[in-house]
Amino acid sequence: NAGVTQTPKFRVLKTGQSMTLLCAQDMNHEYMYWYRQDPGMGLRLIHYSVGEGTTAKGEVPDGYNVSRLKKQNFLLGLESAAPSQTSVYFCASITPRGGLMNEQFFGPGTRLTVL
Amino acid sequence: QKEVEQDPGPLSVPEGAIVSLNCTYSNSAFQYFMWYRQYSRKGPELLMYTYSSGNKEDGRFTAQVDKSSKYISLFIRDSQPSDSATYLCAPGGGNKLTFGTGTQLKVEL
Repeated sequence: NAGVTQTPKFRVLKTGQSMTLLCAQDMNHEYMYWYRQDPGMGLRLIHYSVGEGTTAKGEVPDGYNVSRLKKQNFLLGLESAAPSQTSVYFCASITPRGGLMNEQFFGPGTRLTVL
Repeated sequence: QKEVEQDPGPLSVPEGAIVSLNCTYSNSAFQYFMWYRQYSRKGPELLMYTYSSGNKEDGRFTAQVDKSSKYISLFIRDSQPSDSATYLCAPGGGNKLTFGTGTQLKVEL
C-alpha cells in the first residue's frame, strides 16, 4: 500500500513553461485535494475533487487547472508558470464519512521552482 | 483576518520540557479540530483530532479545544528531540480543512 504518491518530487521551470503534477492514491478514496505550502502562509487549497470527473475551485485556483479522469489520479496543471507559483505542492485524499472526522492523507510533496 | 491564526515560531525548548502550541479560529461552523505534524521536507501527517470542547489525551500529547473562545491547544509532555517538527492546527467541517501556518518546534538535547 503506497498511500498517496506524487510525481515528480522536484522540478525547475522557466517562466511561461507548462507542466503537470500527478497525484495517485491506492486507498480508493473519493475526494482528492491539491494544496500549496508557502512560508508564513500555511497550506492553501488550490482545487479539489469530490469524485471521478468532478473538480472544484479552492482558495487559490488562479493559474492552475486540474483533472480527475480516473478515481485514483488527480492532475494539477500549470499552463504558463510564473515565479509566484514557486512553492511546495501537496496532494491529499479522503473518503468522506458523513459528520465523522475525515483524516486527510497527504503525499510527500513536489518542490517546484519557477525562474 | 485569517480564519485560523497560529504563531509560526520558531519555538525552541530543552528536552523534557512541556510544550504548548496554540491556534485561534474565527469560523464557528468548524466541527472537528485536528493537529498535523510535519517533519522537514515531508508531507503532513495526522497527530490528533477532537470533535468537541474539552481535552483529549494520547500518550504524551493532549489536544484541547475551547469552542466558546475559539481556541485550540496542543500540549506535549516530556518533549523529545524526535518531536522537532512543524505542528499545524487544522479545524474543519464538510470535508474541508483550514490550516494554520504551523508552528516550528525544536527540542534540543
